[in-house]
Amino acid sequence: GDSVTQMEGPVTLSEEAFLTINCTYTATGYPSLFWYVQYPGEGLQLLLKATKADDKGSNKGFEATYRKETTSFHLEKGSVQVSDSAVYFCALSSSNTGNQFYFGTGTSLTVIP
Amino acid sequence: NAGVTQTPKFRILKIGQSMTLQCAQDMNHNYMYWYRQDPGMGLKLIYYSVGAGITDKGEVPNGYNVSRSTTEDFPLRLELAAPSQTSVYFCASSLEGGKAPLHFGNGTRLTVT
Repeated sequence: GDSVTQMEGPVTLSEEAFLTINCTYTATGYPSLFWYVQYPGEGLQLLLKATKADDKGSNKGFEATYRKETTSFHLEKGSVQVSDSAVYFCALSSSNTGNQFYFGTGTSLTVIP
Repeated sequence: NAGVTQTPKFRILKIGQSMTLQCAQDMNHNYMYWYRQDPGMGLKLIYYSVGAGITDKGEVPNGYNVSRSTTEDFPLRLELAAPSQTSVYFCASSLEGGKAPLHFGNGTRLTVT
C-alpha cells in the first residue's frame, strides 16, 4: 500500500545552518504530498504541499519539490532559526488511500543559538 | 477563529473505564479524522468520516467507536480502556478529503493505568 518513509532524527543544528529532512514515498497512483510541523504542546499545522510532479511547495523559507522520478519530497531551508525547532512530518494522500492521509514517523529538529 | 477544538486536554483513566473524547470544528468541513500519536510512530488513523451520518475505520480502530450526527462534532469513544490506549489523540478536519490540508486540534493526552 501507499506509505511514507522519513529521515530519522533527532536533528540538531546551529542557527543559520542549512536544513534537509529526507522524505520518500511509495504510491501506485499520483499522491498529493505534504509537510506538517508540530510545535511543542500543539497539534500539527500544514507547512507546505504539492499536488503534482515537479510542483514546489514553499512557506516560511521552507521548500520541497515533488520529484516523481526519485519518489521524494525532501524538506529544505537555507538558514534555520531557533524558532524552527519542532517536529516535522511528511505525509501523502491519494485516491488509492481513499483520500486518507498517511504520515511519516516525524523528525525532531532542535536549533541551537 | 476556533478551528478544531478538542476536550479534554489531559485525562487519566483506570483500566476498564470508558470515556469520550470530544471534537468540534466550526469550518463546515465534511471530512473529519481521529489519529493517535505514539512516540516514534507518527500518526495512525483510528476512524474518519466523510460527512454527517457516515463513518469508516482507519488503520487502528479496535477498542474505539465514533459517531457523526452533525457536521460539526465527531466524538471518539473508548470502551474498556487498556494501557495500550495510552497516547496523544488528535482530531482533524478537512474541506476536501485528501486534496485539501488537514486542520488539527491541539490534542488530548490520555494515560491509562
